[in-house]
Amino acid sequence: GAVVSQHPSWVICKSGTSVKIECRSLDFQATTMFWYRQFPKQSLMLMATSNEGSKATYEQGVEKDKFLINHASLTLSTLTVTSAHPEDSSFYICSARDSQVEKLFFGSGTQLSVL
Amino acid sequence: AQSVTQLDSQVPVFEEAPVELRCNYSSSVSVYLFWYVQYPNQGLQLLLKYLSGSTLVKGINGFEAEFNKSQTSFHLRKPSVHISDTAEYFCAVSLYTSGTYKYIFGTGTRLKVLA
Repeated sequence: GAVVSQHPSWVICKSGTSVKIECRSLDFQATTMFWYRQFPKQSLMLMATSNEGSKATYEQGVEKDKFLINHASLTLSTLTVTSAHPEDSSFYICSARDSQVEKLFFGSGTQLSVL
Repeated sequence: AQSVTQLDSQVPVFEEAPVELRCNYSSSVSVYLFWYVQYPNQGLQLLLKYLSGSTLVKGINGFEAEFNKSQTSFHLRKPSVHISDTAEYFCAVSLYTSGTYKYIFGTGTRLKVLA
């Protein structure tokens, strides 16, 4: 079964609203989680690296105030898209590192559509 | 249900030897296929992708993969590996089903190139 749960799998929202996406590691503690964004038929783009108990590290070009990342516990990281606009419509996916076995596991993704 | 299977969790190989990393998938709908590489402490990088057309796909760093629909496989190959190819490799499929996009990763294959 899935070891990383990402919720919701899809969401439609109005322009200007905020959307929160959750990423949970189900049976391991994840000190590090990654957030990616994908446009159709393109590769994943790393947005940020989320470390438990500290601020996320954002990739160049990713707006920190727009994409808020919180990694408050060892099993949960959240990505909040603030004041969403249609250009934020995309597929977002998280991954979590199980440092015990040095493996990376992926959520199943969230399709965000901003109207 | 859709799934991606990477049969080998670890593959040791000597430098300049050829390598094949295996990937099989299961899906009742059409899929796009990807291979990603992750170097230590970095995010995923796209090696190559198959969307349509020629079943032999060439990617970066001398890698190539062949889509075999009858065998539902997308094995990754390189004729001569380098030490710098040591990394974790992920096979992934992207598909649209039940009104939403999904992105499913395999569990990864750790390639270790030996001198």
